Amino acid sequence: EAGVVQSPRYKIIEKKQPVAFWCNPISGHNTLYWYLQNLGQGPELLIRYENEEAVDDSQLPKDRFSAERLKGVDSTLKIQPAELGDSAVYLCASSLGQGRDTQYFGPGTRLTVL
Amino acid sequence: DAKTTQPPSMDCAEGRAANLPCNHSTISGNEYVYWYRQIHSQGPQYIIHGLKNNETNEMASLIITEDRKSSTLILPHATLRDTAVYYCIVRDSYAGNNRKLIWGLGTSLAVNP
Repeated sequence: EAGVVQSPRYKIIEKKQPVAFWCNPISGHNTLYWYLQNLGQGPELLIRYENEEAVDDSQLPKDRFSAERLKGVDSTLKIQPAELGDSAVYLCASSLGQGRDTQYFGPGTRLTVL
Repeated sequence: DAKTTQPPSMDCAEGRAANLPCNHSTISGNEYVYWYRQIHSQGPQYIIHGLKNNETNEMASLIITEDRKSSTLILPHATLRDTAVYYCIVRDSYAGNNRKLIWGLGTSLAVNP
């Protein structure tokens, strides 16, 4: 069974530029999560989707971050414009949902903002 | 804030059992204990979870104390590939759809030859 797929694996951009990350969850998983992980820290939830609905986006900085999950499958996380402090690893995870909350993570995208 | 406390680092000899402790003294009755690990430059990997009873799977065993205020993850025969950061997480109380995993800093386990 294929795991969570993320692309790109690495991204280097200059500040004020836009950037987008893509995630394809495990087939059949209704719940999708985007996390941010700073060096030496645990992951921090940015947004959680149940199918195509964002049910928890309280930690998403909405002035510059946006996300979408069209058709309830793939998802895209965007930053515009990027700031130096956005340098981190962006992780996507998925779970079956409906109370079955074991999360399976992708490899992450390492973003460096210069 | 994370609801768990773990030692920042531990060492283990290859082939020996690795016992990773976790304190969760404020855990409530309907909260599960989850364990994940993160190998360098990879995404976190699910290991095991439990509520009250001890659990075992192909990766590890989870021992939860009777009062549920602490638990221990046991890797019975640690290998070099088990070197990773291990996270103990108490799942946030169910409140509608807001079920978060709140991650702490974890324990960095080094398995030595």
